[in-house]
Amino acid sequence: ILNVEQSPQSLHVQEGDSTNFTCSFPSSNFYALHWYRWETAKSPEALFVMTLNGDEKKKGRISATLNTKEGYSYLYIKGSQPEDSATYLCASIQNTGTASKLTFGTGTRLQVTL
Amino acid sequence: KAGVTQTPRYLIKTRGQQVTLSCSPISGHRSVSWYQQTPGQGLQFLFEYFSETQRNKGNFPGRFSGRQFSNSRSEMNVSTLELGDSALYLCASRIGGPTTDTQYFGPGTRLTVL
Repeated sequence: ILNVEQSPQSLHVQEGDSTNFTCSFPSSNFYALHWYRWETAKSPEALFVMTLNGDEKKKGRISATLNTKEGYSYLYIKGSQPEDSATYLCASIQNTGTASKLTFGTGTRLQVTL
Repeated sequence: KAGVTQTPRYLIKTRGQQVTLSCSPISGHRSVSWYQQTPGQGLQFLFEYFSETQRNKGNFPGRFSGRQFSNSRSEMNVSTLELGDSALYLCASRIGGPTTDTQYFGPGTRLTVL
């Protein structure tokens, strides 16, 4: 993997459904992975910063896992609510020695309906 | 604590002109990063400033430049505007340590180039 890829591009679920998305990133020179939630007409909001292989973070009904060896992270939402509707972005940070390279994925757009 | 502020919020320019955007970080934050968001390319990293020095730079032409002042406020300048520069420009601030710090985004400046 050379770039940061997110799947699926979009997702439409019903209230109460649980869902998950994937972020794939270059595993070489890995430094950190950020997850953001971006609601329409608002600023991106940080959800998690993950650094260690096997990391698992949780914030309410949202959780994330990290596998740095194979270069992927999963974001899970349990019991989706309409207010979870947003675009979920991941950003990979690689440490190239002299500088950090930050690359965003194109996001997963989640729509939760009643 | 006040959040990240950006001015102006909307801007219309014509090709060939130049533009300066401003970002005021959260008080105490020393790192300011700039991003460009376009429908086709997603969110792309422009550069990061820390203590008045550019610390990281993305893959953008030299027409895009920035600076940071001693009070951590930052400006981004785009010279010789092109139609493709039409985008939402976001800045984000963080305390300034490693890139594992949480980033806080401003509301963005919507630039339209005619």
